[in-house]
Amino acid sequence: AQSVTQLGSHVSVSEGALVLLRCNYSSSVPPYLFWYVQYPNQGLQLLLKYTTGATLVKGINGFEAEFKKSETSFHLTKPSAHMSDAAEYFCAVCLKGSQGNLIFGKGTKLSVKP
Amino acid sequence: ETGVTQTPRHLVMGMTNKKSLKCEQHLGHNAMYWYKQSAKKPLELMFVYSLEERVENNSVPSRFSPECPNSSHLFLHLHTLQPEDSALYLCASSLRLAPDTQYFGPGTRLTVL
Repeated sequence: AQSVTQLGSHVSVSEGALVLLRCNYSSSVPPYLFWYVQYPNQGLQLLLKYTTGATLVKGINGFEAEFKKSETSFHLTKPSAHMSDAAEYFCAVCLKGSQGNLIFGKGTKLSVKP
Repeated sequence: ETGVTQTPRHLVMGMTNKKSLKCEQHLGHNAMYWYKQSAKKPLELMFVYSLEERVENNSVPSRFSPECPNSSHLFLHLHTLQPEDSALYLCASSLRLAPDTQYFGPGTRLTVL
């Protein structure tokens, strides 16, 4: 069965510092991988996704993630945090042919200190 | 209206009430989804519709009843709910099933008294 683990329910960084949000998945075959962001009182918005091809994926707002099959990881990074990045971030996986069934992690809340 | 809209945004209901949540997508998508978001739990997929046919039902109690009359509208009918059903209910749509990007609405915050 697929599962997603996000290490750290809450991460705090200073403005301008590196953002690193961790995601590991469990799947018998390489899945599709997603990162979503949720701002307060809003729905989820796609940051980036990996389906096939290049393992380093660039997304919106300066975020990127790298698919590492050997580590079953898909960590999200941003070189320099902005105050506007404060939100909750969700990693999700989807097995090929699974009829749209996205499995989400529990989320990581990112705080950015001035 | 653009994107995915949900009404109402907030709903308080008693355990004996019957209510419905509405979702509408203005994106020309063919797949629609209902999710439940509870505090400290992962987002849970409840139902998936593709071309108005239900393709996924993740063991959801029968007190939740979905309806998809056309590709733009999705309803979630609620009856005899329990307090533990209080949560944020999110609707999403995508052009086709995954891995197509799912676009989410803002959600309905449901409180069951």
